[in-house]
Amino acid sequence: AQKVTQAQTEISVVEKEDVTLDCVYETRDTTYYLFWYKQPPSGELVFLIRRNSFDEQNEISGRYSWNFQKSTSSFNFTITASQVVDSAVYFCALSEHGRGNQFYFGTGTSLTVIP
Amino acid sequence: DAGVIQSPRHEVTEMGQEVTLRCKPISGHDYLFWYRQTMMRGLELLIYFNNNVPIDDSGMPEDRFSAKMPNASFSTLKIQPSEPRDSAVYFCASRDDRGGEGHEAFFGQGTRLTVV
Repeated sequence: AQKVTQAQTEISVVEKEDVTLDCVYETRDTTYYLFWYKQPPSGELVFLIRRNSFDEQNEISGRYSWNFQKSTSSFNFTITASQVVDSAVYFCALSEHGRGNQFYFGTGTSLTVIP
Repeated sequence: DAGVIQSPRHEVTEMGQEVTLRCKPISGHDYLFWYRQTMMRGLELLIYFNNNVPIDDSGMPEDRFSAKMPNASFSTLKIQPSEPRDSAVYFCASRDDRGGEGHEAFFGQGTRLTVV
């Protein structure tokens, strides 16, 4: 079973629109960690944010915001006023404290921001 | 810190040849991961180490793949013999989780392997 599901394979938005990337995870651990990574066309994987299971406080960082809801096992990522430079593949990931700390990645959402 | 360093960045080899990918993790990090990325299968975890000890290699596709971490600052992923279906981008990542707080992993630039 997929531990991390990113149902949106591809999204296209016009510049300055807001866009939300969905992430649903599955775990039986009470202690776990969630992450978002960005992979721009150049190919590197860039860490964006980390959340632990005890911290449901949502976070805003500039144009980025994250909505963590344990009740729905979701960790969604919103980009406000999107820009062309936001075009990338975005990966959600889960690390379970009791499972050797390996990372489980979703299949990624490819975001294209059209100028 | 220079980050996770992988070499080579690109490798083109003929089927049947041995390929060795190298990784230098961030100094002080106690976890090292090897991932493979393809269009068909996305990001797959191949193997990971904790304090230089392999913890889980269940993702290694076949006996043709092997990985070592002889010390805290170096790891290799070897494919022998290579096959065209091994063509992919191979990422190495390291993580400092000595405190058990679930910190993020940092990725290298990747090695793009093409087997012809």
